[in-house]
Amino acid sequence: NAGVTQTPKFQVLKTGQSMTLQCAQDMNHEYMSWYRQDPGMGLRLIHYSVGAGITDQGEVPNGYNVSRSTTEDFPLRLLSAAPSQTSVYFCASSSGSSSYNEQFFGPGTRLTVL
Amino acid sequence: GNSVTQMEGPVTLSEEAFLTINCTYTATGYPSLFWYVQYPGEGLQLLLKATKADDKGSNKGFEATYRKETTSFHLEKGSVQVSDSAVYFCALTGSARQLTFGSGTQLTVLP
Repeated sequence: NAGVTQTPKFQVLKTGQSMTLQCAQDMNHEYMSWYRQDPGMGLRLIHYSVGAGITDQGEVPNGYNVSRSTTEDFPLRLLSAAPSQTSVYFCASSSGSSSYNEQFFGPGTRLTVL
Repeated sequence: GNSVTQMEGPVTLSEEAFLTINCTYTATGYPSLFWYVQYPGEGLQLLLKATKADDKGSNKGFEATYRKETTSFHLEKGSVQVSDSAVYFCALTGSARQLTFGSGTQLTVLP
């Protein structure tokens, strides 16, 4: 199993550009989520999905869109990048319906918006 | 809402020293508690967890006990190694599966 994979590893954008951060998992997990990591602030939840076709907002959803057309993939879209979106982005997945199930994290995407 | 307060870093220790990283939380109901570790350039990995009061999670020599009376989940290790150098995150989940994280504690262990 590859686990949770994310592409790209690094990206530099100009303000106003759009892009999609890719996330895929091969563990047949129904729950997937996106976090951003900023210095001194830990990780904050952007969006999450409890299954294909179902998404919901987390703590910091503004400026980001998601969709979940398959169990495996959960892309994160930035429609018009802003410098405030400079961060490290992590995708995570977990199985089952319990809140104590382990979440598996991808290696992250480091995004810089100029 | 839920929140996690973690000991400020960075923490620098010599090899074989005792480690404590404090973590306290605020949550409604009965959260599950976690410690995640992030090695340089990598994603987060689950280190240990506890799902109810008085549970002790343990892994790789690290331990943490779920203390409901003090709303705490402090991480301890009796003898740290250079390979333990990483960032440690305390986190919780409530009724849903969304993780709420502390700000992270950078640990550096010197030989």
